[in-house]
Amino acid sequence: NAGVTQTPKFRVLKTGQSMTLLCAQDMNHEYMYWYRQDPGMGLRLIHYSVGEGTTAKGEVPDGYNVSRLKKQNFLLGLESAAPSQTSVYFCASRGLAGEVDIQYFGAGTRLSVL
Amino acid sequence: GQNIDQPTEMTATEGAIVQINCTYQTSGFNGLFWYQQHAGEAPTFLSYNVLDGLEEKGRFSSFLSRSKGYSYLLLKELQMKDSASYLCASMDSNYQLIWGAGTKLIIKP
Repeated sequence: NAGVTQTPKFRVLKTGQSMTLLCAQDMNHEYMYWYRQDPGMGLRLIHYSVGEGTTAKGEVPDGYNVSRLKKQNFLLGLESAAPSQTSVYFCASRGLAGEVDIQYFGAGTRLSVL
Repeated sequence: GQNIDQPTEMTATEGAIVQINCTYQTSGFNGLFWYQQHAGEAPTFLSYNVLDGLEEKGRFSSFLSRSKGYSYLLLKELQMKDSASYLCASMDSNYQLIWGAGTKLIIKP
């Protein structure tokens, strides 16, 4: 049982380049999330999805796009990377563990934009 | 606005007890979560409180006071492996988690 898997683990981009981060979960969860984590700040929600074919904006959506074509996959795209997007990106899926709705996280993608 | 406050860093001694405090202010409230995050790794779930009082789970306990917008995580019999960041998060009325910046806990031998 892999849980939540993110690829790639590390990436260096030049300003203006594009890339896609992939998140896959094998827990059959409906809800999936993309966060970014920056030093001295809490996790900030970029986009989320409440099910296959649906996406919604979070707190910091500008500069990012997402797609949820299959229930198990949630993709995060950067169309034209900027240095301000240097961060650690975490994907999470949400599901019940007993009576508690828990978010399960992937290992993260460390992105540097030069 | 929505806000979660917790100390930036704390230091404790192996074998001792430490309490990490968190105050929250969110639009609505559907529970308070604590996650552990070791350096370079993913956050992992530790505890959940939705009613006032203390929830005990082995060496870790978590307390909630909804009237005060306050929670704490209590770690007993500290071990070196407990060195990590501890993230407090409040679930708001939209069932979204609002996260604090985390408390880095340093354990000294």
